[in-house]
Amino acid sequence: EAGVAQSPRYKIIEKRQSVAFWCNPISGHATLYWYQQILGQGPKLLIQFQNNGVVDDSQLPKDRFSAERLKGVDSTLKIQPAKLEDSAVYLCASSPLQTKGTEAFFGQGTRLTVV
Amino acid sequence: RKEVEQDPGPFNVPEGATVAFNCTYSNSASQSFFWYRQDCRKEPKLLMSVYSSGNEDGRFTAQLNRASQYISLLIRDSKLSDSATYLCVVNPSNFNKFYFGSGTKLNVKP
Repeated sequence: EAGVAQSPRYKIIEKRQSVAFWCNPISGHATLYWYQQILGQGPKLLIQFQNNGVVDDSQLPKDRFSAERLKGVDSTLKIQPAKLEDSAVYLCASSPLQTKGTEAFFGQGTRLTVV
Repeated sequence: RKEVEQDPGPFNVPEGATVAFNCTYSNSASQSFFWYRQDCRKEPKLLMSVYSSGNEDGRFTAQLNRASQYISLLIRDSKLSDSATYLCVVNPSNFNKFYFGSGTKLNVKP
């Protein structure tokens, strides 16, 4: 079974530039998550989709971050404009639609460096 | 208050030692609990789910204490390959929402 695919793996941009990350979840998984993991910290949930609807985006900095999941499959996360503090690993995860007990499966992440 | 709190460590132990990590969670209605393992510069991967009755998988034992709102992970006979960061994960609802602790770093030394 193919896992969660993310691209690019690495990205270096200057502050105030924009960047986009792409995620393809495991086939059939209704729920998709974007997490931000700053060095030395645990992953922080940015946004959660169920199919193509947003379940939770309470921790997404909406003045600069946006995400979409068209057609309920692939998703993109965009940062515009980037700040130095956005340097982190952006992890995409997916899980099947169950009420509880299921795990989240992670992609390898995109490591973003803002200089 | 954070949803999930862990001691960041590091825990430095010799091979063969037994080591235990605890994690506390704030939402008493939380539904599901997990331990994930994260190797350096890799993505988190599920180590084990934590069941109400406690569960064991080889050298690893997980326990849940709902009254005190904490979960624990015990590793027996530590191996060098157990060196990693262990993330406590809580699903506080019925909506597959996963909140992570900051992780506990384990270094197993020869």
